[in-house]
Amino acid sequence: KQEVTQIPAALSVPEGENLVLNCSFTDSAIYNLQWFRQDPGKGLTSLLLIQSSQREQTSGRLNASLDKSSGRSTLYIAASQPGDSATYLCAVSGVDSSYKLIFGSGTRLLVRP
Amino acid sequence: DTGVSQDPRHKITKRGQNVTFRCDPISEHNRLYWYRQTLGQGPEFLTYFQNEAQLEKSRLLSDRFSAERPKGSFSTLEIQRTEQGDSAMYLCASSLSRTGQRGTDTQYFGPGTRLTVL
Repeated sequence: KQEVTQIPAALSVPEGENLVLNCSFTDSAIYNLQWFRQDPGKGLTSLLLIQSSQREQTSGRLNASLDKSSGRSTLYIAASQPGDSATYLCAVSGVDSSYKLIFGSGTRLLVRP
Repeated sequence: DTGVSQDPRHKITKRGQNVTFRCDPISEHNRLYWYRQTLGQGPEFLTYFQNEAQLEKSRLLSDRFSAERPKGSFSTLEIQRTEQGDSAMYLCASSLSRTGQRGTDTQYFGPGTRLTVL
């Protein structure tokens, strides 16, 4: 059974710092991995999707990497801003789990001005 | 706005009542998903549709829950005889799945319906 873990559960950094969020999954048989952002009481905003054949994806100040064999992904945020404060969730679409996403519990990020 | 929309955004009901939520996916998206999220946790899969066909249901979807997607457009999720444990955020997502391109379809989420059962 696929399990997704995100560490740390919460993170507080000063504005301008570069930071890394971690995601690990137990079954490497995946089709893709997605990173999402969720603001309090809101829905999820898709940030990046990495297909299983890819190693990384970039969008603006965000860079996500995928090491499928070790079951790990990282989300790198450069030059963090207070507006980046949110919960970041990673999710995998497994080969044996149809098209549903299996989510981690998220990392709650606070960027202090 | 061409994103996924959900209605209502908030619903407060008394235990034992029936509730129905609606989701309108992004136009032309052929897949539609329902997830449930409780405080401090990531979303959990409930069910998904390929066009109008419901192809998978989670064990979380007890017989009090039913979902439909008539004509492959909008979807409804009904909960009968609500219980306090049903209190959660119900999220809908949609994606465009292309034959032979498994793994390329990004799921886009709506704003959610927050259910509170008193």
